[in-house]
Amino acid sequence: EPEVTQTPSHQVTQMGQEVILRCVPISNHLYFYWYRQILGQKVEFLVSFYNNEISEKSEIFDDQFSVERPDGSNFTLKIRSTKLEDSAMYFCASTRDHSTDTQYFGPGTRLTVL
Amino acid sequence: GENVEQHPSTLSVQEGDSAVIKCTYSDSASNYFPWYKQELGKGPQLIIDIRSNVGEKKDQRIAVTLNKTAKHFSLHITETQPEDSAVYFCAASMASGFQKLVFGTGTRLLVSP
Repeated sequence: EPEVTQTPSHQVTQMGQEVILRCVPISNHLYFYWYRQILGQKVEFLVSFYNNEISEKSEIFDDQFSVERPDGSNFTLKIRSTKLEDSAMYFCASTRDHSTDTQYFGPGTRLTVL
Repeated sequence: GENVEQHPSTLSVQEGDSAVIKCTYSDSASNYFPWYKQELGKGPQLIIDIRSNVGEKKDQRIAVTLNKTAKHFSLHITETQPEDSAVYFCAASMASGFQKLVFGTGTRLLVSP
């Protein structure tokens, strides 16, 4: 069964450094999302992406964040200058098309900012 | 915006018992309600979902009910097994091409043998 994959599984970085989290959505999916989950808290929406454009973003997704689909398979989340409070699990998700609602989540990347 | 409340935060049951987790939502425009199971160190996995044109949906030991008037929906797990132990999240969204999921705070379910 097709899966969303994410790399790395764990990323440790120093405050102020840039990080790129990578996702490979399910191959025939068209809608892509990033969510984050601070330890012990709920999963929070960050951004949705369709047709090479951001379609919606939350207030968390400020100018330090950006997303890109650099090729036909990868979907990346970049944090330009990490802060301590960016430490969280970051989940990528994808949906096939607008006729279905099911979002399939990847296993997540644990980001630790020191 | 949408806000989803979820109760209880923890639930302990004996194997074979039933478990019920309840969620309420605030935005009457929400019309899609999935439930996700999250095991330790893994991403959320969809276990069942319901749309607002349906009041109840069942899949083997799992069922979800929806009360649009009261704006609440519930997950029912019957004949619980130890492997059901996990964190369960409810979510709500307005089903569309770009819908985002708004999650509840999660319920940690522990099923004891």
